[in-house]
Amino acid sequence: NAGVTQTPKFRILKIGQSMTLQCTQDMNHNYMYWYRQDPGMGLKLIYYSVGAGITDKGEVPNGYNVSRSTTEDFPLRLELAAPSQTSVYFCASKDNSQPQHFGDGTRLSIL
Amino acid sequence: DQQVKQNSPSLSVQEGRISILNCDYTNSMFDYFLWYKKYPAEGPTFLISISSIKDKNEDGRFTVFLNKSAKHLSLHIVPSQPGDSAVYFCAAPSRDNNDMRFGAGTRLTVKP
Repeated sequence: NAGVTQTPKFRILKIGQSMTLQCTQDMNHNYMYWYRQDPGMGLKLIYYSVGAGITDKGEVPNGYNVSRSTTEDFPLRLELAAPSQTSVYFCASKDNSQPQHFGDGTRLSIL
Repeated sequence: DQQVKQNSPSLSVQEGRISILNCDYTNSMFDYFLWYKKYPAEGPTFLISISSIKDKNEDGRFTVFLNKSAKHLSLHIVPSQPGDSAVYFCAAPSRDNNDMRFGAGTRLTVKP
């Protein structure tokens, strides 16, 4: 049982480039989330989804897009990378009232 | 707007002693709180939770206390072990359970 899998683990982007952070879960969870964690800060919610075809903005959505075409996958898209998006990104999933399960994160640097 | 605050960035304790990690919140609408533990290069993992209808929840060496009037909760680890060395996050979900607010975390170091 892999849980929540995030790829890649590390990435360096140039300003203005685009990329997609992948997240997949094999627990058949309806709820999925994307967070970012900046140094010395807690996790901040970027986007979330309550089921396939449904997404909504979190606390810090600007500069990001998401889609949820299947229950398993919840990719996060950066269209025009900016230095302020340098961070560690965590994907999480959960089932109704249960705690969230997190992936191991993607460390993204934008230079 | 930091609704969940952990004011101690780090804590160091001796193996076998008690570790006490603190968390304060400002939103009186929070009715459920969680503690997550995070090792380097891994995602956070759920540790223990507490509902606002309780003032204490215990799970083995881990106990969480909630003081609603003070908007304060604490995580007690007794006895502390070197394997407990990690970053601990306090978190609270919004009423619709979709927006989790996290504290900045406290790095616990347990010395042998």
